[in-house]
Amino acid sequence: AQSVTQLDSHVSVSEGTPVLLRCNYSSSYSPSLFWYVQHPNKGLQLLLKYTSAATLVKGINGFEAEFKKSETSFHLTKPSAHMSDAAEYFCVVSARYGQNFVFGPGTRLSVLP
Amino acid sequence: ETGVTQTPRHLVMGMTNKKSLKCEQHLGHNAMYWYKQSAKKPLELMFVYNFKEQTENNSVPSRFSPECPNSSHLFLHLHTLQPEDSALYLCASSQDWGGASNQPQHFGDGTRLSIL
Repeated sequence: AQSVTQLDSHVSVSEGTPVLLRCNYSSSYSPSLFWYVQHPNKGLQLLLKYTSAATLVKGINGFEAEFKKSETSFHLTKPSAHMSDAAEYFCVVSARYGQNFVFGPGTRLSVLP
Repeated sequence: ETGVTQTPRHLVMGMTNKKSLKCEQHLGHNAMYWYKQSAKKPLELMFVYNFKEQTENNSVPSRFSPECPNSSHLFLHLHTLQPEDSALYLCASSQDWGGASNQPQHFGDGTRLSIL
């Protein structure tokens, strides 16, 4: 079985400071992992994906995530937060054909001026 | 992103009305999904279609009726809804069911449904 834990339901940072959103997963198979962002009243937009290639994955808008198998983690980072980064972020795991994508509960990121 | 289009964007309906939500994808994907997103609740998977065949019905009440006439179109027919059905309904598609090809889901912008 697969599961995803996002350790923080809400993260608040100041503009220009680093962002860290934490994600841990559980999977019986080699997983594919994704981060999505959702702005209010919008759909989920793919930020980045890990699919067993490089463990450090770069995404859009300056975000990146590192896959650490030993820690079963896939934390999302950004060196400097921008006001436009304020949104909900979802970590997602997918393992094999016929099993649904599993979503974490989401982390709401607030960026303070 | 315009690969998955949902209409209408907003819908207000009474409990006795019948309406339909539409989803269309131009990505050549084989799997399509309906999700319900309510305030302060996790994303809920409702239905999955793979090659036009329903593969998952996640204990959804019968007042929600999905239809997938082809791999590009997905509908959600609504009738005699309840106030607790007010939510954002998201459609998604992916190359394969469950991401076997390591490809992600692509989402539409959703339909904001309000039940009076």
